[in-house]
Amino acid sequence: QKEVEQNSGPLSVPEGAIASLNCTYSDRGSQSFFWYRQYSGKSPELIMSIYSNGDKEDGRFTAQLNKASQYVSLLIRDSQPSDSATYLCAVNTNAGKSTFGDGTTLTVKP
Amino acid sequence: GAVVSQHPSWVICKSGTSVKIECRSLDFQATTMFWYRQFPKQSLMLMATSNEGSKATYEQGVEKDKFLINHASLTLSTLTVTSAHPEDSSFYICSVQGLGETQYFGPGTRLLVL
Repeated sequence: QKEVEQNSGPLSVPEGAIASLNCTYSDRGSQSFFWYRQYSGKSPELIMSIYSNGDKEDGRFTAQLNKASQYVSLLIRDSQPSDSATYLCAVNTNAGKSTFGDGTTLTVKP
Repeated sequence: GAVVSQHPSWVICKSGTSVKIECRSLDFQATTMFWYRQFPKQSLMLMATSNEGSKATYEQGVEKDKFLINHASLTLSTLTVTSAHPEDSSFYICSVQGLGETQYFGPGTRLLVL
């Protein structure tokens, strides 16, 4: 079992729809959780960080964390073609070191 | 967040040569930097953790004598790929660890070894 698992996709949604990205992790001691976006040919950029159970909203993005279920998700509301990218889930399992999932590729169709 | 630069952004070299990649934290004093490698269609693979003033910590399977890391100051870490071979061709990305263990990535360096 991988330490951090994501649906590989590709995930395709129409413009304006909600995109839902999921991630599970294996280490119950994990404390910090991150979503990064990576456009093709570019390096990752931070979208959201979340540290406690519940929802965290930032504009069109909502991160959800459930430590009991070892599950973290990212919702993108009113999806735009510019949201088309690979989304990486990262979990900090050791002090300061992130373990990344393989990423989910999202395509938003106009 | 931290602003991170990498140089060069692209490098093409002949097999057997060494290549040095610089990672600079422009607005943040970084005691810890990370070096990743990413092959096409794959996720980030952590190569090593670079600690200012001390030896880097390498991940299992990464040859420390081949991938030399130097973190001589709070703003600069370098990765040298020694005796590069075609299989070392990849996208090399550094990151700086900021507040809350967030990572801020450099723009990456594409290495092509012929």
